[in-house]
Amino acid sequence: RKEVEQDPGPFNVPEGATVAFNCTYSNSASQSFFWYRQDCRKEPKLLMSVYSSGNEDGRFTAQLNRASQYISLLIRDSKLSDSATYLCVVNVRAGKSTFGDGTTLTVKP
Amino acid sequence: EAGVAQSPRYKIIEKRQSVAFWCNPISGHATLYWYQQILGQGPKLLIQFQNNGVVDDSQLPKDRFSAERLKGVDSTLKIQPAKLEDSAVYLCASSLGASYNEQFFGPGTRLTVL
Repeated sequence: RKEVEQDPGPFNVPEGATVAFNCTYSNSASQSFFWYRQDCRKEPKLLMSVYSSGNEDGRFTAQLNRASQYISLLIRDSKLSDSATYLCVVNVRAGKSTFGDGTTLTVKP
Repeated sequence: EAGVAQSPRYKIIEKRQSVAFWCNPISGHATLYWYQQILGQGPKLLIQFQNNGVVDDSQLPKDRFSAERLKGVDSTLKIQPAKLEDSAVYLCASSLGASYNEQFFGPGTRLTVL
């Protein structure tokens, strides 16, 4: 079993749709959690951190469920520019990052 | 502020040849990472440096891969000899320090082994 698992998708949604991605992790001692975004043939970039209390940044909402060992990312009012691969990242310690294989999102006009 | 620099951007070699990649992190970043990203997969950590010391190299195939960061700034990753399965993008990332979670990635080196 992989340490971090994501549904690879692809998710194909129309503009304006709401879409959610889930990610599960196996190590209960994991300390911190993130979502990175990776555009096609580009490097990953930090999208947002995920806190126990949940956090929101504009159209993006991230939540953590430690009891069930999963994190989620919700994107509201999808834009064409949201098309990318979203990588779930789990740290067992600061700097020790395990990346999921990513979920691909395509937003269509 | 300049980002993480990597070179070359692309490299094509034949199996059993050697190859080296170079990375210059963001100025002032003490922690440097090398990742391997195979097509369709997430980045996999190969090695983590804190200044010029190795913090974690548990997933580095040490029979063929080596890395160094002699002066605590730029770093090189070498593969010798290369195998077909080494075809991947090699990403370098840096962070302010080991206790800082956000990593900044360079554009990567795309390696094709024929």
